[in-house]
Amino acid sequence: DQQVKQNSPSLSVQEGRISILNCDYTNSMFDYFLWYKKYPAEGPTFLISISSIKDKNEDGRFTVFLNKSAKHLSLHIVPSQPGDSAVYFCAASAVGGNQFYFGTGTSLTVIP
Amino acid sequence: DGGITQSPKYLFRKEGQNVTLSCEQNLNHDAMYWYRQDPGQGLRLIYYSQIVNDFQKGDIAEGYSVSREKKESFPLTVTSAQKNPTAFYLCASSISRVTGELFFGEGSRLTVL
Repeated sequence: DQQVKQNSPSLSVQEGRISILNCDYTNSMFDYFLWYKKYPAEGPTFLISISSIKDKNEDGRFTVFLNKSAKHLSLHIVPSQPGDSAVYFCAASAVGGNQFYFGTGTSLTVIP
Repeated sequence: DGGITQSPKYLFRKEGQNVTLSCEQNLNHDAMYWYRQDPGQGLRLIYYSQIVNDFQKGDIAEGYSVSREKKESFPLTVTSAQKNPTAFYLCASSISRVTGELFFGEGSRLTVL
C-alpha cells in the first residue's frame, strides 16, 4: 500500500517558467516531509524539507507547500533551469516512526 | 570529505550466487538504510539499522540479509533466495531514526545474468 503518491510520472516545462511537482500522502501521522532530486545512476540528493508545523518553506528557487487537511504537498521551482531536469521524489516520516516512505518519483524535463 | 561510499558501482551475478554490496559512512550517523529502486517505482526499504548490532526488516526484506557490526558499515547480501535481484540499490544514513535528512550513496547496480 503506497502511503506516499506522486501521480504524475513526468512533467515538461519551458526554461524560466514555474515547475510544480505534486505529492499526496495517506498517513495522517506523517509529520516531516522531504524532497529529493535524482540523476540517473546516482544517489538522490536532498533538496528541501518541511515539518507539519509549517505550511511553507523556501530555499532559493525552491519552495515546498504543505496542505495538511488535504494531505498534499507540492514543490515549486522558479525559475526552472535545464539543470533541474531530474527525477524528484517526495518522502515522508511519522513521529516515532522508523523509516522514510518515498513516492514513485516525477521526471522533470526543463526545455531550453 | 564526509559521505557514504557504496561499492561496487556495477555488479554482475550468476543465478544462484550470493553477492554482498558494501556501504560505508564517515558521517558518524547512527541510522543506516538500504533501499531498492526499480524502474517506475519509488524507493523501497529493504532493511534499516538504528544502532550497532541491531537491524529491522523493511517492506521487502525477503531474500536479503544485513549486518551492523560497526557504526560505519552496513553491508547488504543479496542471496540466491531473492527472486528478482536485478535492480539499483541505494544505501543511506541519517543522524537519528527519522529526524533530519537522509544522505545517500551513489548506488550499486546489480544485474543477474
